[in-house]
Amino acid sequence: AQSVTQLGSQVSVSEGALVLLRCNYSSSVPPYLFWYVQYPNQGLQLLLKYTSAATLVKGINGFEAEFKKSETSFHLTKPSAHMSDAAEYFCAVSEVGAQKLVFGQGTRLTINP
Amino acid sequence: DAGVTQSPTHLIKTRGQQVTLRCSPKSGHDTVSWYQQALGQGPQFIFQYYEEEERQRGNFPDRFSGHQFPNYSSELNVNALLLGDSALYLCASSTLTGTGGRETQYFGPGTRLLVL
Repeated sequence: AQSVTQLGSQVSVSEGALVLLRCNYSSSVPPYLFWYVQYPNQGLQLLLKYTSAATLVKGINGFEAEFKKSETSFHLTKPSAHMSDAAEYFCAVSEVGAQKLVFGQGTRLTINP
Repeated sequence: DAGVTQSPTHLIKTRGQQVTLRCSPKSGHDTVSWYQQALGQGPQFIFQYYEEEERQRGNFPDRFSGHQFPNYSSELNVNALLLGDSALYLCASSTLTGTGGRETQYFGPGTRLLVL
C-alpha cells in the first residue's frame, strides 16, 4: 500500500531563508509524486509533479523537488522564502495506474519577517 | 479557462440529514475524484468517476455515494449525516491524456460541511 510521511507538521523560516519541506513515500511500484499548496480557506493548488521523467522537478513560485529513489524521498525546496509562501503544503503519491492520490498529513510553513 | 468549480461553498446540516455537493471539472477533463479533508488532516480519497461510473472507491461507507453526468460534472451525496462527517469536501478533475494521466489532479476550492 502507498503511504506518505511528511517530517515536521510545522516549519518556520525567516524571510529570504531556504525552505526545505520533507516528504518520504512508500510504494511497491514506480510512483508519481506531487506537491500541493493550500492557502487558508482554499482548495489545493498543484505546485509540481514527478511522473518518471527528470528527477529534479521545477514548479510554480520558485519551488522545486528532487526524486531520490534510493532514499524514497521527494523533498520540496525554495532558495529564498517570501511572506506569501506561508501556507499548508501536502505531499502526495500515486502508483502509476492507481489514479487516486494518497496524501501526507501536511506541513504548515510559517515565514518570519 | 475555468478551473474546477464546486457548490455550495459552505453548508450546515444536522445529524441524520442528507446532503448533496456539486462539482464541475476543469475544461477538457472527463474524470472527477472526491476527497474528504478533516480539520488538520490531509485529504482522504472517497471515490472517482469517469464515463459516468464509479471506478475506484476509498474506505468510506455506503452512506457516501456519487454520480457523474454526461457533461462530466459530478455530485457527492452523503446520507444519515454524522458529526464526524464535518469536513472540507474537495473535488478534483483530471483526464487520461497528457503527462501524469488521471493521477494529475486539479482541485476545486471545496465545500465546507458542518454537521451539528
